[in-house]
Amino acid sequence: DGGITQSPKYLFRKEGQNVTLSCEQNLNHDAMYWYRQDPGQGLRLIYYSQIVNDFQKGDIAEGYSVSREKKESFPLTVTSAQKNPTAFYLCASSSPPGTNTEAFFGQGTRLTVV
Amino acid sequence: ILNVEQSPQSLHVQEGDSTNFTCSFPSSNFYALHWYRWETAKSPEALFVMTLNGDEKKKGRISATLNTKEGYSYLYIKGSQPEDSATYLCALNFGNEKLTFGTGTRLTIIP
Repeated sequence: DGGITQSPKYLFRKEGQNVTLSCEQNLNHDAMYWYRQDPGQGLRLIYYSQIVNDFQKGDIAEGYSVSREKKESFPLTVTSAQKNPTAFYLCASSSPPGTNTEAFFGQGTRLTVV
Repeated sequence: ILNVEQSPQSLHVQEGDSTNFTCSFPSSNFYALHWYRWETAKSPEALFVMTLNGDEKKKGRISATLNTKEGYSYLYIKGSQPEDSATYLCALNFGNEKLTFGTGTRLTIIP
């Protein structure tokens, strides 16, 4: 079945460690996005990529990094520079790039930093 | 800052009743409005993408309207069923390749 797969579903890390969240899609979508959700807030955009080997910062990119070496994959690294990394992270994709077409979402990764 | 406001924040509705909630946004720089339904433990799923002032869209018992001049959209659910329980997200494209999300309306249907 076509869709977006995020792994793992739950992730625990010690403070000061970098951690990479996986996002894979088999929808042949050009655009991919990473969002973060905190209690009482809407989804906030971390990074997005409209095409392979290119990506742009979203509204809250500090402390995060991404890569887009393959169309299917858009991993997100939460670095030790991210001051408050504990959150729920959602990956999405759409095609064609742009936001007049619906986005498809993964099931999310809940990251807890202790 | 371009804010997207959703109201109410949460809502309890008796099964069989109809309900509606609101998404408000700055009317300038509007390109498109999205509605998503997000059930617990699942992924958000698109309901509608709307681009034209006066647009009305319908999917089964759910419909939505759009007024870009005054900056709001309504989502209506007719004859609520338990499976309608979810968080409903509104998101706006203000022409900058990004979607700005509201905080959502959490709907609970009481059997």
